[in-house]
Amino acid sequence: EAGVAQSPRYKIIEKRQSVAFWCNPISGHATLYWYQQILGQGPKLLIQFQNNGVVDDSQLPKDRFSAERLKGVDSTLKIQPAKLEDSAVYLCASSPISGLGTEAFFGQGTRLTVV
Amino acid sequence: AQSVTQLDSQVPVFEEAPVELRCNYSSSVSVYLFWYVQYPNQGLQLLLKYLSGSTLVKGINGFEAEFNKSQTSFHLRKPSVHISDTAEYFCAVTPLSSGSARQLTFGSGTQLTVLP
Repeated sequence: EAGVAQSPRYKIIEKRQSVAFWCNPISGHATLYWYQQILGQGPKLLIQFQNNGVVDDSQLPKDRFSAERLKGVDSTLKIQPAKLEDSAVYLCASSPISGLGTEAFFGQGTRLTVV
Repeated sequence: AQSVTQLDSQVPVFEEAPVELRCNYSSSVSVYLFWYVQYPNQGLQLLLKYLSGSTLVKGINGFEAEFNKSQTSFHLRKPSVHISDTAEYFCAVTPLSSGSARQLTFGSGTQLTVLP
């Protein structure tokens, strides 16, 4: 079974530029998450999708971050304009819709450096 | 809301020695508990999870954890560590009642370094 795919693996941009990350979840997984992991901290949820609808985006800085999930499969996360404090690893995860305590499967992440 | 506290940010230990990584949580509702491991430049991999039943949970790579409801703890243990166990370990919780919104709340992580 293929895992969660993310690209690019690394990205360096200047502040005020824009950037986009892509995620392809495990086939058949209805739920998709984007997490932000700042160095030295645990991952923090940015947004959760179920199929192509948003379940929770309460922690997404909507003035600069946006996300979409096309046709309930792939997802993109965009930052525009980027700030220095956006430097982090952006993790995508997916899980099946049903089941108690269902495990979330994580991709390798995209490491963003804003200079 | 939930919160997770990992009491040790770094734990150095010699190879073949036992190790315990501590995790405490706070929640007004019952939760499921997880331990994830993150190797350098990799995503998170599930080590083990507690959903219900026996409070001692066994996971992959010889790790186990014990859920203590009265102390709101879920400490991770391994009786004999290997160099390959060097990684960052994260404790996480999700509320039982969240339905489909099974978001994880993570601790800040513990860096386990196994020394030769």
